[in-house]
Amino acid sequence: AQSVSQHNHHVILSEAASLELGCNYSYGGTVNLFWYVQYPGQHLQLLLKYFSGDPLVKGIKGFEAEFIKSKFSFNLRKPSVQWSDTAEYFCAVNAGNYGQNFVFGPGTRLSVLP
Amino acid sequence: DAGVIQSPRHEVTEMGQEVTLRCKPISGHDYLFWYRQTMMRGLELLIYFNNNVPIDDSGMPEDRFSAKMPNASFSTLKIQPSEPRDSAVYFCASSTGQGAPYTEAFFGQGTRLTVV
Repeated sequence: AQSVSQHNHHVILSEAASLELGCNYSYGGTVNLFWYVQYPGQHLQLLLKYFSGDPLVKGIKGFEAEFIKSKFSFNLRKPSVQWSDTAEYFCAVNAGNYGQNFVFGPGTRLSVLP
Repeated sequence: DAGVIQSPRHEVTEMGQEVTLRCKPISGHDYLFWYRQTMMRGLELLIYFNNNVPIDDSGMPEDRFSAKMPNASFSTLKIQPSEPRDSAVYFCASSTGQGAPYTEAFFGQGTRLTVV
């Protein structure tokens, strides 16, 4: 069965700092990978996704993620965070060639100080 | 499309009462997921359906929880009897899968359940 781990429970940054959130998954086969964001009191929204092709994926709001197959990783990055990026971030994996179960990591809470 | 629609948005009920949460997936999506989110346990998958058939219900906490999907456009999650520890936000999500270009999971706005 797949599992997803996220390196940090809570990250605190100042505005304009760079961000990198770690995500590792365990599954030996083909995977689809996702980062979701949940703003306070809201539902999960997709930031970006990787299905195949270029392992560097660009998403909304200046976020990007890099799939490194050999490391089973899909880390999320943003060069300069804003106060509005304060939210919880979830990494998710969906295994196989067909859309199946989505397994989510425990989430990383990001607090950006103005 | 209006997205995944859940109702009610908020539910407050007394312990022991039956609670029914509803979900309308995005038209054309063949996978439907029910998740529960709490501070203590994070986001937990309760059950998911493919083409209206339950595929994995191993996340359903106990027999008090049941879920149905009578047709492609409607699903319910029922808790009977409800307990205070069931208080959480319940999310429904849908996606496409086998036989179609698959997509990410699209989430509804959630139902915040409070059992007093």
